[in-house]
Amino acid sequence: AQSVTQPDIHITVSEGASLELRCNYSYGATPYLFWYVQSPGQGLQLLLKYFSGDTLVQGIKGFEAEFKRSQSSFNLRKPSVHWSDAAEYFCAVGLMTTDSWGKLQFGAGTQVVVTP
Amino acid sequence: DAGVIQSPRHEVTEMGQEVTLRCKPISGHDYLFWYRQTMMRGLELLIYFNNNVPIDDSGMPEDRFSAKMPNASFSTLKIQPSEPRDSAVYFCASSFVGNYEQYFGPGTRLTVT
Repeated sequence: AQSVTQPDIHITVSEGASLELRCNYSYGATPYLFWYVQSPGQGLQLLLKYFSGDTLVQGIKGFEAEFKRSQSSFNLRKPSVHWSDAAEYFCAVGLMTTDSWGKLQFGAGTQVVVTP
Repeated sequence: DAGVIQSPRHEVTEMGQEVTLRCKPISGHDYLFWYRQTMMRGLELLIYFNNNVPIDDSGMPEDRFSAKMPNASFSTLKIQPSEPRDSAVYFCASSFVGNYEQYFGPGTRLTVT
């Protein structure tokens, strides 16, 4: 069965420090991969996506993610975090089976706290 | 485009009452998704539509929940009767065929007392 795992429930990072959020997936083929961010009281906003091609993808707000097929991972990174990056981050996999076309399977999320 | 629109943004109701949540997807999108988010269970897909037709409702918790999409620009999620355990944030999202990128609305925070 397909699954998406975000091993870190909660991460605390200092403002200006680098950030890396982990995401591992279990899927029979190369899936479509996404990272979403949810600020408090808001809906989810797409940060970036990977469908094919270059395995390093750039997104909004200075984020990037790298797809590693051998590790079934799609980790999100930002070189220098800002206080406004405090939010919850969700990794998601696009399911491409006939009966699931269009669906996304979300990880449990990683809460990021940014300290001064 | 205004994005996905949900109403109301907040709803407080008493147990046993009927609750109707509304969603207007982005124009031109042919997929519409209803999600529920709670601290305990995270983000759960309840039901999704393609071209106004329900494709998968396996996530609907029980018969008290129903969803309709009478046309391409409007969908409702109804809970009747409501119970305190239905308290959650309900999100609507839309996308178009060939692009898995889902656009989320701001959500409706439902509190059932």
